[in-house]
Parts: sequence; C-alpha cells; structure tokens
Amino acid sequence: AAGVIQSPRHLIKEKRETATLKCYPIPRHDTVYWYQQGPGQDPQFLISFYEKMQSDKGSIPDRFSAQQFSDYHSELNMSSLELGDSALYFCASSLAWLTDTQYFGPGTRLTVL
Amino acid sequence: EDQVTQSPEALRLQEGESSSLNCSYTVSGLRGLFWYRQDPGKGPEFLFTLYSAGEEKEKERLKATLTKKESFLHITAPKPEDSATYLCAVQALIGTSGSRLTFGEGTQLTVNP
Repeated sequence: AAGVIQSPRHLIKEKRETATLKCYPIPRHDTVYWYQQGPGQDPQFLISFYEKMQSDKGSIPDRFSAQQFSDYHSELNMSSLELGDSALYFCASSLAWLTDTQYFGPGTRLTVL
Repeated sequence: EDQVTQSPEALRLQEGESSSLNCSYTVSGLRGLFWYRQDPGKGPEFLFTLYSAGEEKEKERLKATLTKKESFLHITAPKPEDSATYLCAVQALIGTSGSRLTFGEGTQLTVNP
C-alpha cells in the first residue's frame, strides 16, 4: 500500500538559511499534519491542513510557514534557521471523513550547523 | 491542556515474558486514543485506535485496552523484533477535522533473546 512520502530525507543547512520540506500524503487523503521530534523527545505538533485550509496550529515558530496545495501535497517552509531547529520533521496524513487515524511518513532529518 | 503520561519510561523483557505498558491521559473530551510503534530514526507506525471506554483491539502479540483515564498495551510472549519505542497519543474532540495528536514521551521496550 502507498505510504506518505517526504522529501528530502536528509537536509543539512547553515544558521540563518532557509529550508523547504515536502510531503505527499497517501492517495485520496485530504488532511496533512506536521510534527517536529527532537532527540529523545516525543513528536510535537506544528500545524495541519484539511482540504487546503489550516485546521489546527500548534507551537510553530513565526519563522515557519506551511501550506497545502491543490493536489493535497504540503510544504513546510523554514526561514532564519537556528541550531535548535535540528530535528526530525514528520508529515502525517488522514482521510477525514473515514477515520481520525494519522499515518506518518519516514521523516526529514534536518541538521542546522 | 491535553496531557499524556506513559510508564514505564523503559522496559526490558526476556523473550516470552509478557507485560503491559501504561498510558494515562487527561483531555477535554476524547476523540480517540492512538498507539504507535517507533523504531529509531523512523516515522511512527500506526498500531491501534480506541474511541470509547471498554474498547479492546488486538493485533498479533499486542492488545490495547481503554478506560476513561488510561490505556494499556499488553504484550504477550514478546519477541526481540518487538523491541521499539511505543507511543501513546490522544486527539481531543474539538469538532473539526485535522486536529492534533498529543503524544506521551513513550516507553522504550527491549526484548532480549
């Protein structure tokens, strides 16, 4: 079965640079979620989109923005990167009318030097 | 604020030694409780969704149960390949699609052969 696709899988950036993470949900899924997981920590919710509209917002820094496009893929844009942004970033997707279960992608490991 | 507490933080078992993991939660109306398995550096893998007190679900050696205040993940006759971090998460009933998961810090399970 098709799963959530994230790209790139690994990303290395310098401080103050920008980064764009992409997420392709499971086909027909209409809701996308972004989570950040630091070393040894549990995933922390950042933001979600349902039918291309923001549906929930968590502890996402103002330096970050995200959107969901007409084909339901989503992008997380991160600017003025800081050392503390180094983490695993997960995207998850769900089919809202059918289930609340969120299926996670493999993640993007971001390292800020 | 939704809160999830998992215990123990770490658990070492011998192969075949059954045990249970605990997840205590407080949430302003439970939409669903979710169990995930996570291997190092990988995305959380969905195991179970529970919606109401008294509900039980099983999959191979795993069985999840739910009460009004906590959930248990029972592992029967575990094998070394069951070694992973098990994450519990809750989703609040806020009436909209695309609402966040709040995770516990996980239980790191090691099963020795």
